[in-house]
Amino acid sequence: AQSVTQLDSQVPVFEEAPVELRCNYSSSVSVYLFWYVQYPNQGLQLLLKYLSGSTLVKSINGFEAEFNKSQTSFHLRKPSVHISDTAEYFCAVSEWSRGSTLGRLYFGRGTQLTVWP
Amino acid sequence: NAGVTQTPKFQVLKTGQSMTLQCAQDMNHEYMSWYRQDPGMGLRLIHYSVGAGITDQGEVPNGYNVSRSTTEDFPLRLLSAAPSQTSVYFCASRRGRASPKNIQYFGAGTRLSVL
Repeated sequence: AQSVTQLDSQVPVFEEAPVELRCNYSSSVSVYLFWYVQYPNQGLQLLLKYLSGSTLVKSINGFEAEFNKSQTSFHLRKPSVHISDTAEYFCAVSEWSRGSTLGRLYFGRGTQLTVWP
Repeated sequence: NAGVTQTPKFQVLKTGQSMTLQCAQDMNHEYMSWYRQDPGMGLRLIHYSVGAGITDQGEVPNGYNVSRSTTEDFPLRLLSAAPSQTSVYFCASRRGRASPKNIQYFGAGTRLSVL
């Protein structure tokens, strides 16, 4: 069965510091990988995704994530965070294989990123 | 374009009461789903649907019913609420029936407390 592990439940950092939110998954088939962000009292929204091609994907607000197939990881990074980045971040994985699966999305437990001034 | 709309935003129930959480999307998406979010547990899939008249169970379906009579609406019913169902509920939709590449769009959530 698919599982998604976010290794840190909380990550506190100071403004302008770099940050890495870690995500590992287990799957025996091909996967699509996503990071969703949830701001306080809101629903989830897509931050970035890896479908195929270049293993480094970037968002419009400076986040990036790298797909590492050998380590089954999809860590999220930002070189310099802002207070407005404070939110909960969810890693999600969708499996696909020929002739099967409805592409169910499996979520990690989330990482709360708190940026302090 | 409203996207995914959930009502109500907040609800308090007594144990044993029933209620329906509403979800509507205006993007003509085939795939719709319900999740519950509990602290430290991430999002867990309750039920999903790949089109009108077609529903199936997710990983935590007990205590919940769903139906899909139209493409737009996917209500979630609690037949007899229990304190264990206190949670934040999210509805999501996605284009395509079996399209794992496609983005899921989420509603703003319903915060439910069962006393």
